[in-house]
Amino acid sequence: AQTVTQSQPEMSVQEAETVTLSCTYDTSESDYYLFWYKQPPSRQMILVIRQEAYKQQNATENRFSVNFQKAAKSFSLKISDSQLGDAAMYFCAYRRSTGANSKLTFGKGITLSVRP
Amino acid sequence: EAGVAQSPRYKIIEKRQSVAFWCNPISGHATLYWYQQILGQGPKLLIQFQNNGVVDDSQLPKDRFSAERLKGVDSTLKIQPAKLEDSAVYLCASSPQRSYEQYFGPGTRLTVT
Repeated sequence: AQTVTQSQPEMSVQEAETVTLSCTYDTSESDYYLFWYKQPPSRQMILVIRQEAYKQQNATENRFSVNFQKAAKSFSLKISDSQLGDAAMYFCAYRRSTGANSKLTFGKGITLSVRP
Repeated sequence: EAGVAQSPRYKIIEKRQSVAFWCNPISGHATLYWYQQILGQGPKLLIQFQNNGVVDDSQLPKDRFSAERLKGVDSTLKIQPAKLEDSAVYLCASSPQRSYEQYFGPGTRLTVT
């Protein structure tokens, strides 16, 4: 079975600084997707960034980028120029690539606070 | 495009009572998911529908939980009878056919006392 581990329960960053959120996963599959989701307080979960396992290039979306290390099964999220609106819970998630709409397996999440 | 709608947003019940949650996915999305998110944990899939058929319900406690998706559109999730450990946020998500992305609703926060 696939597992996703987020070992840091909380992190804090100064506004305008950079922060990195860690995630490791375990799978026997060779092809899969990895995601970072953001869940603001009392608001719905939204997709921040995704990475296909077959791609060597790390995904980037504006201020968000990932460091995908397939051999180490590591998938960290870097947030540059942190903003107050980045404060939220962040979940790392895994999904098999085969099988239509296969389920997401989430980590426990990390609470990110942004200091003004 | 309207997002995933869920109701109610909050519900408080006593243990052994029954409760039902409703979800209306994004129009045209074939796949619908129900997740349970216990405080301090990530969401856990309870059941996945493809149109009106069940794809995965391996983690649904079938002795007390049931779900249906009539006509392949909206869905209801029911708990009968509720236990204290069912206190959680119940998230509904939907996805277009053969898509990696899931769109989440705002969730229903259930408190069982």
